Amino acid sequence: GQQLNQSPQSMFIQEGEDVSMNCTSSSIFNTWLWYKQDPGEGPVLLIALYKAGELTSNGRLTAQFGITRKDSFLNISASIPSDVGIYFCAGRTGTASKLTFGTGTRLQVTL
Amino acid sequence: NAGVTQTPKFQVLKTGQSMTLQCAQDMNHNSMYWYRQDPGMGLRLIYYSASEGTTDKGEVPNGYNVSRLNKREFSLRLESAAPSQTSVYFCASSEASGRGYGYTFGSGTRLTVV
Repeated sequence: GQQLNQSPQSMFIQEGEDVSMNCTSSSIFNTWLWYKQDPGEGPVLLIALYKAGELTSNGRLTAQFGITRKDSFLNISASIPSDVGIYFCAGRTGTASKLTFGTGTRLQVTL
Repeated sequence: NAGVTQTPKFQVLKTGQSMTLQCAQDMNHNSMYWYRQDPGMGLRLIYYSASEGTTDKGEVPNGYNVSRLNKREFSLRLESAAPSQTSVYFCASSEASGRGYGYTFGSGTRLTVV
């Protein structure tokens, strides 16, 4: 099956620092999505990307759909304590609804 | 509030017991999914239902069954629970096809099998 490799697995950063994480696939995707999971909750959609090369922002978050269509990147600028959580990438091929999820990046923010 | 509702939130089972996890959505979505989340493994698809009346196996279906009761409800059944099924289970829903806007997830069921 399709595999999504997400890195890094975990990050410990100080408040105010910028964060970068990425997701790579062995297959081509036509949709990339980024989710955040707060402790004890289900994942919530942050950003959706639909075209190779697309760059989309949501507040301090910016995500990019890689040119090869096999990768995606998420950046968080000026991190704050509420950024703590697990960030998942997810990809979709074709027009079917089913998503494949990455293994997640756990973010910890220290004051 | 609109969204995906899962019950129960917590459950402890003994090995061999059976139980059904319930999921309901009120967004008129066609597709529904069951995932399990284990440390370091991300979200793995157990079963999904692309539309009312259809169900398909996902990545890790062994030991589970599902029922798409109607458009709103999608249940997951463990017939004979095993310790390996200790996990956090998430239900999600989405539009059936096309771009969609990603999944909407429930808040999860934390299951422990002893």
